[in-house]
Amino acid sequence: GQQVMQIPQYQHVQEGEDFTTYCNSSTTLSNIQWYKQRPGGHPVFLIQLVKSGEVKKQKRLTFQFGEAKKNSSLHITATQTTDVGTYFCAAVFTGNQFYFGTGTSLTVIP
Amino acid sequence: ETGVTQTPRHLVMGMTNKKSLKCEQHLGHNAMYWYKQSAKKPLELMFVYSLEERVENNSVPSRFSPECPNSSHLFLHLHTLQPEDSALYLCASSPSRGALYGYTFGSGTRLTVV
Repeated sequence: GQQVMQIPQYQHVQEGEDFTTYCNSSTTLSNIQWYKQRPGGHPVFLIQLVKSGEVKKQKRLTFQFGEAKKNSSLHITATQTTDVGTYFCAAVFTGNQFYFGTGTSLTVIP
Repeated sequence: ETGVTQTPRHLVMGMTNKKSLKCEQHLGHNAMYWYKQSAKKPLELMFVYSLEERVENNSVPSRFSPECPNSSHLFLHLHTLQPEDSALYLCASSPSRGALYGYTFGSGTRLTVV
């Protein structure tokens, strides 16, 4: 099956530091989605990227889709304790095959 | 409230028990999904229903049996489960089958098999 690699698996940052998680595929993607799951919670849809090189922002969150549509990143500027959780990418391949990455667990130290 | 409601929130069952998980969505979506989330593993897609028809079954053991009586309700019937089936079971819905839109997840059922 298709593989979606997400790194890092865990990240601890001091409050106010930046954070980035990466999602990589060996195959070109149709589009990619990002989700956030708070501890004890459920995944919540954040955004979808469709176009090559696309960049979207949501307040302190910046989402990028690579030019080759094989990778994506989520960057959080000046993390806050409310950013704690696991961030998942969900890669969509040709034929509507849809796979979640393993997630990056973010801990923010006050 | 996400618009997707799952009950119960927590379930403990013995290996010989039969139980059912329920999912209800109030979003008018046409596709519904069951996912399994285990520690340190990616979300695993179990079943997909589109317009009440099962369109995908990802090699899930027969001790898990889905049912979709209408486009708003989805059940997962459980029988003779194993301890390794303990996990968070998530229901999700989307406007149509596939990944053109984001999925809306329910809060999940935390299942423990003893």
